[in-house]
Amino acid sequence: DGGITQSPKYLFRKEGQNVTLSCEQNLNHDAMYWYRQDPGQGLRLIYYSQIVNDFQKGDIAEGYSVSREKKESFPLTVTSAQKNPTAFYLCASSAQGRETSPLHFGNGTRLTVT
Amino acid sequence: DAKTTQPNSMESNEEEPVHLPCNHSTISGTDYIHWYRQLPSQGPEYVIHGLTSNVNNRMASLAIAEDRKSSTLILHRATLRDAAVYYCILRDDTDKLIFGTGTRLQVFP
Repeated sequence: DGGITQSPKYLFRKEGQNVTLSCEQNLNHDAMYWYRQDPGQGLRLIYYSQIVNDFQKGDIAEGYSVSREKKESFPLTVTSAQKNPTAFYLCASSAQGRETSPLHFGNGTRLTVT
Repeated sequence: DAKTTQPNSMESNEEEPVHLPCNHSTISGTDYIHWYRQLPSQGPEYVIHGLTSNVNNRMASLAIAEDRKSSTLILHRATLRDAAVYYCILRDDTDKLIFGTGTRLQVFP
């Protein structure tokens, strides 16, 4: 079945450590996204990528980094510079630049930093 | 900032119709209106989208105002499984997709 896989589902880290969240898709989509969601809040865009080897900052990119070396993969690194990293992280993909294309979301990674 | 505004919460009884409103007064002529819903601890799922005409699918209907500055997602008969947060977003060709805070729908038996 085609879809988006985020791993792990739960992740625990100590403050000051960098951590990388995995996102893989087999939908052959060009565009991929990372969103952050805090309890009771909506989704906020961290980074997005329209094509391999290219990505753009979203509204809250500070303290995060991404890479897009392969079409299927868009890993997100939460660095120690991110002041409040504990959150629910969602990855999504869609056909690039097509207004009618829906987003397909993974089931998220819940990161807890103590 | 989100380009859409929605009420924070709405309530419905099971098997009654639900009308979820969305305002998008700054919509441009080529923006599509998309709706998603999110169940607890899951990623959002696509519901429906439209441009100008009203749209129907197996999940819901989308009614779009003539001036396109607002739209309404219609669930014809709410079930307990429809309890979720519903997001209305505008999609253009830039791929920068901004979600607002959505509407939390409660469905009572």
